[in-house]
Amino acid sequence: DGGITQSPKYLFRKEGQNVTLSCEQNLNHDAMYWYRQDPGQGLRLIYYSQIVNDFQKGDIAEGYSVSREKKESFPLTVTSAQKNPTAFYLCASSIREPSYNEQFFGPGTRLTVL
Amino acid sequence: AQSVSQHNHHVILSEAASLELGCNYSYGGTVNLFWYVQYPGQHLQLLLKYFSGDPLVKGIKGFEAEFIKSKFSFNLRKPSVQWSDTAEYFCAVIGGATNKLIFGTGTLLAVQP
Repeated sequence: DGGITQSPKYLFRKEGQNVTLSCEQNLNHDAMYWYRQDPGQGLRLIYYSQIVNDFQKGDIAEGYSVSREKKESFPLTVTSAQKNPTAFYLCASSIREPSYNEQFFGPGTRLTVL
Repeated sequence: AQSVSQHNHHVILSEAASLELGCNYSYGGTVNLFWYVQYPGQHLQLLLKYFSGDPLVKGIKGFEAEFIKSKFSFNLRKPSVQWSDTAEYFCAVIGGATNKLIFGTGTLLAVQP
């Protein structure tokens, strides 16, 4: 089955710890995205990557970092600098061109920082 | 900056009622528009999209949306909702140089049997 997997589904961390969220896709998509979903705020773009070894900041990149060493993988690290990290994190992917193509979403990771 | 407004945050309907969810965007150039749905416990998935051509687009599960350029709107409609339509619905737009997908804040629809 082609799709996007995110692990784990639920993640708990203590304040001050960095945590890395996994995102893997087997859709052969070039572009990948990380969003944060908070109640009443919709989805906000954290980082995106159009191609391997390249990525750009989204609208709320502060306190987050990413890497794109492989086409299939786009892990997101939530650092201790992120002031309000508790949220639902969604990963997505799409073909790169044209840019308005449909994005496919993973099941999400719910991060709770205690 | 582009933005997307969804004015209805919570909607409660009885089965068989008609549905219309509002979506307005703020970009004046060429846009591409989407409606996504998130059923309880499931992935966010595409309902329908508009790129060009007929402004009335049909999606999955009997949903449709109409692009009205003069009103900067892309409202979602369904003539008769079912209990299984209970979900959160997101309008999204891509336009301009950024090529980033901008989401609205979402509308939570509850359909009562």
